[in-house]
Amino acid sequence: DAGITQSPRHKVTETGTPVTLRCHQTENHRYMYWYRQDPGHGLRLIHYSYGVKDTDKGEVSDGYSVSRSKTEDFLLTLESATSSQTSVYFCAISRSGYEQYFGPGTRLTVT
Amino acid sequence: KNEVEQSPQNLTAQEGEFITINCSYSVGISALHWLQQHPGGGIVSLFMLSSGKKKHGRLIATINIQEKHSSLHITASHPRDSAVYICAVRPNFGNEKLTFGTGTRLTIIP
Repeated sequence: DAGITQSPRHKVTETGTPVTLRCHQTENHRYMYWYRQDPGHGLRLIHYSYGVKDTDKGEVSDGYSVSRSKTEDFLLTLESATSSQTSVYFCAISRSGYEQYFGPGTRLTVT
Repeated sequence: KNEVEQSPQNLTAQEGEFITINCSYSVGISALHWLQQHPGGGIVSLFMLSSGKKKHGRLIATINIQEKHSSLHITASHPRDSAVYICAVRPNFGNEKLTFGTGTRLTIIP
């Protein structure tokens, strides 16, 4: 298995609070991705990174920001969490932008 | 209309049956992926293919680029095959990103 971890694995937070999810890899892969998974939808890309300090928006980026200050870490921040951001969040990594390896997921509940 | 459509959405079968899951897409692609997600579990890649057919154990994946269609087959299905199977395509442009189908939930009854 690719060395990819996510933290926390579960989180419950209140509307309006900031939340940061962390994705950590030990594979030195160039690309990192944040997705959300919701019933009735496929995995949807929030943001991705193609190198340190190089990030771009995905299809559902509103309300989210990211940072990648070093190769191994990709942080996803919800500045002010809303109930619509209740979801399961997956991080993925890729060496070349082709095959992606997924983390175990973070279940976030915003009450 | 989603760029990636999977059918069926749900499939229940008896152990031992031959299973087929279909994926159709509307854009030009450089590759197609099949992924597996067990209940409460992570997502693992089963296949990446751009033409023809690939086989791994009891799983077979085929793709027809001209028809923009792929199938995932499972032979001699087993309860441990119960999972959500997800099709994803890599468009020709912006091809470091994937577009995902909504998945097919497969349940194999002993």
